[in-house]
Amino acid sequence: QSVLTQPPSVSEAPGQRVTISCTGNNSNLGVGHDVQWYQQFPGTAPKLLISGDNNRPSGVPDRFSGSKSGTSASLAISGLQPEDEAEYFCQSYDSTLKTVVFGGGTRLTVL
Amino acid sequence: QLHLQESGPGLVKPSETLSLTCSVSGDSISGSNKYWGWIRQSPGKGLEWIGSFFYSGGTYYNPSLKSRGSISVDTSKNQFFLRLTSVTAADTGVYYCVRQTPPLVLTAFDLWGQGARVSVSS
Repeated sequence: QSVLTQPPSVSEAPGQRVTISCTGNNSNLGVGHDVQWYQQFPGTAPKLLISGDNNRPSGVPDRFSGSKSGTSASLAISGLQPEDEAEYFCQSYDSTLKTVVFGGGTRLTVL
Repeated sequence: QLHLQESGPGLVKPSETLSLTCSVSGDSISGSNKYWGWIRQSPGKGLEWIGSFFYSGGTYYNPSLKSRGSISVDTSKNQFFLRLTSVTAADTGVYYCVRQTPPLVLTAFDLWGQGARVSVSS
């Protein structure tokens, strides 16, 4: 069971907007530790999508955005495209466990 | 071009030691203001941080490994290494070497190797 909780799957039609939630607690997201988001296609390594809650690395389209409030964070993808179909993971740091923690991943299906 | 490449045996026997090498190109382990580390991924546990180091600082490990893991570095070859002792089937998975931004409590893994698949089996 992952420290950060994500829905196992979400789906939405092309062109629409989808959000993926990431729920933590007062030892990680709630104490202000940054949230990162990663995108992973089958058989490949994860790729950094969002860092520091809402910052996009160079090359990441502005269709991807992140937000955080209290013990929860969200990844939003607007203007969904078929190539966005992938698994998405959130990541932070837990002060009680003294370790980097990940969410269990959310598989996005673009209908 | 920035690139991380894992290498090592794909099969390890239970109770033995898993050893992996990460070769870094396009950046300097000793000259970079970055952390370097290892993450693994398995169907049962998902993504799991193993440990990280900062060349001019300390080395940090996931407490859940119970001191089985150790990370070392060879700056002359721009490589770093993972050793995981007393492995069991639960250590089976894909092992990634990564580059990450400091500090550890705010870290983001901004560069990943392609991954090395390791199976623990007799």
